[in-house]
Amino acid sequence: AQSVTQPDIHITVSEGASLELRCNYSYGATPYLFWYVQSPGQGLQLLLKYFSGDTLVQGIKGFEAEFKRSQSSFNLRKPSVHWSDAAEYFCAVASSANDYKLSFGAGTTVTVRA
Amino acid sequence: NAGVTQTPKFQVLKTGQSMTLQCAQDMNHEYMSWYRQDPGMGLRLIHYSVGAGITDQGEVPNGYNVSRSTTEDFPLRLLSAAPSQTSVYFCASSYEVRSPTEAFFGQGTRLTVV
Repeated sequence: AQSVTQPDIHITVSEGASLELRCNYSYGATPYLFWYVQSPGQGLQLLLKYFSGDTLVQGIKGFEAEFKRSQSSFNLRKPSVHWSDAAEYFCAVASSANDYKLSFGAGTTVTVRA
Repeated sequence: NAGVTQTPKFQVLKTGQSMTLQCAQDMNHEYMSWYRQDPGMGLRLIHYSVGAGITDQGEVPNGYNVSRSTTEDFPLRLLSAAPSQTSVYFCASSYEVRSPTEAFFGQGTRLTVV
């Protein structure tokens, strides 16, 4: 069965500092990987996705993620955080072995301090 | 283009009551799904549909029913509400079923069962 682990429940970062959110997946088949962001009281918005090709993926809002097959990881990064990046972030994985249904991690809440 | 629309946004039910959460999408998406979001658990799949007239169970289907009579609509019915069903419910849709594609999410319905 596929599973997604986000080791960090909560991260606090200063505005302007860099941010890295960790995501590890467990899988037998080729994974398709996603990062979603959820602002307070809102639905989920796709930040970026990885299907194949270049392992460094650029997304919206200045985010990027790197797929590392050897480490089963898909970590999300942003070089300089803005106060509006305070939100909850979810890593998700899909595969042909599971009919492409999304499995989500538990989420990481990001707090941005001034 | 409204995307995925969920109603109501908030609902309080008494134990044993029934209700239907509405979900509609105007993107002609083939795949629709319902998730529940609980603190520390991410999003868990309740039911999903790969097209009109076809539904199947997800990870946590007990206590919920669905039907898909049209491509646009995918209502979720709570048959006899229980406090354990207090949660935030999200409807999502995707263009394709048999390949990985981005999921579009509604704004969510916050349900409290007392």
